[in-house]
Amino acid sequence: EAGVAQSPRYKIIEKRQSVAFWCNPISGHATLYWYQQILGQGPKLLIQFQNNGVVDDSQLPKDRFSAERLKGVDSTLKIQPAKLEDSAVYLCASSSVRHYGYTFGSGTRLTVV
Amino acid sequence: ILNVEQSPQSLHVQEGDSTNFTCSFPSSNFYALHWYRWETAKSPEALFVMTLNGDEKKKGRISATLNTKEGYSYLYIKGSQPEDSATYLCVRNQAGTALIFGKGTTLSVSS
Repeated sequence: EAGVAQSPRYKIIEKRQSVAFWCNPISGHATLYWYQQILGQGPKLLIQFQNNGVVDDSQLPKDRFSAERLKGVDSTLKIQPAKLEDSAVYLCASSSVRHYGYTFGSGTRLTVV
Repeated sequence: ILNVEQSPQSLHVQEGDSTNFTCSFPSSNFYALHWYRWETAKSPEALFVMTLNGDEKKKGRISATLNTKEGYSYLYIKGSQPEDSATYLCVRNQAGTALIFGKGTTLSVSS
């Protein structure tokens, strides 16, 4: 089966600019996650979707971050405006309710300068 | 323990050495414990998922054990090779919730 697709792979922007990341999960996976991994730290959950509904967005900085999963398939994560501390790898993952496994994309490495 | 704790944070070994890492996690409401291997610029790769106390899993030279009562898991690598160099993530989840990651152990194997 195809893996979780993410784009772009790398992005460099200036602070106060906007940026958007895209994720296409495994076909049929109902649950989609966005994680932020800052250098030296473990990945932190930003938002979890079940189909097109939000299950958990408690750690999403809602003043600047937004995410959507229209039609319960693809998802986009947006940052507007970006800050220096947003420099991180943004990982998308998906899972099926029928097994324990989670599949990750290769991530988008964001650098804010 | 509220979070998933991994130790050591980083480790440097010589080719052929055997090594092990520790993961500590909250033992309450346990559902599953995952180990992932993450190389730079690649997707995290699932190594093991363990659910039962006393579980032992093996994949080639890598093995893992699980103690859900005391809340720890060990990952062992026998005869480390340079291609084993990566960050090893310990991840816990409760039923129906997102994964909770440790900070990882970064292994460097030199030839």
